Amino acid sequence: AQTVTQSQPEMSVQEAETVTLSCTYDTSESNYYLFWYKQPPSRQMILVIRQEAYKQQNATENRFSVNFQKAAKSFSLKISDSQLGDTAMYFCAFMTQGAQKLVFGQGTRLTINP
Amino acid sequence: DAEITQSPRHKITETGRQVTLACHQTWNHNNMFWYRQDLGHGLRLIHYSYGVQDTNKGEVSDGYSVSRSNTEDLPLTLESAASSQTSVYFCASSDLTSAEVNEQFFGPGTRLTVL
Repeated sequence: AQTVTQSQPEMSVQEAETVTLSCTYDTSESNYYLFWYKQPPSRQMILVIRQEAYKQQNATENRFSVNFQKAAKSFSLKISDSQLGDTAMYFCAFMTQGAQKLVFGQGTRLTINP
Repeated sequence: DAEITQSPRHKITETGRQVTLACHQTWNHNNMFWYRQDLGHGLRLIHYSYGVQDTNKGEVSDGYSVSRSNTEDLPLTLESAASSQTSVYFCASSDLTSAEVNEQFFGPGTRLTVL
């Protein structure tokens, strides 16, 4: 069974700073996908970024980028120039190819301070 | 616009009662999922369906059931509600085209309290 671990329950940074959220996972599969979801206080789940395991290039979406280390089974999220609107719970998630089911980490509560 | 809705948004019930949470999507997606969210656990998969008449158990399926009679709906039933089922429940849907993985779209969630 796949597991996803987020070792940082809470983080707090100042506005405009860069912050990195950690995620590790365990799997014996070779083809899979990794995701970061954002959950603001509204409770809505929002996809931030995703990474296909077969792609060596790290995914980037505007201020959000990932550091995908396949051998180490590590998938961290970097938020550059953080904004107040980035305050949210962030979940790392894993999906095996074809299964379409998500396995989530425990979440990291990120607070951006003015 | 296509969307995924859940009802009710909040529900308070008593131990032992049967409860049904509704999920309706207008994306025409084949795949539908139910997750529960608890502090310290993230979201955990309860049941899922890959199409009409198909249902499968997830990681935490005990005490829950689902049925899929059409593409749009996947209701989640708690047969006899227990206090341990107090949680926030999310429904999600996705579609799979060729070999690409597609984004799961989440509903707004239902907060269920079992007293």
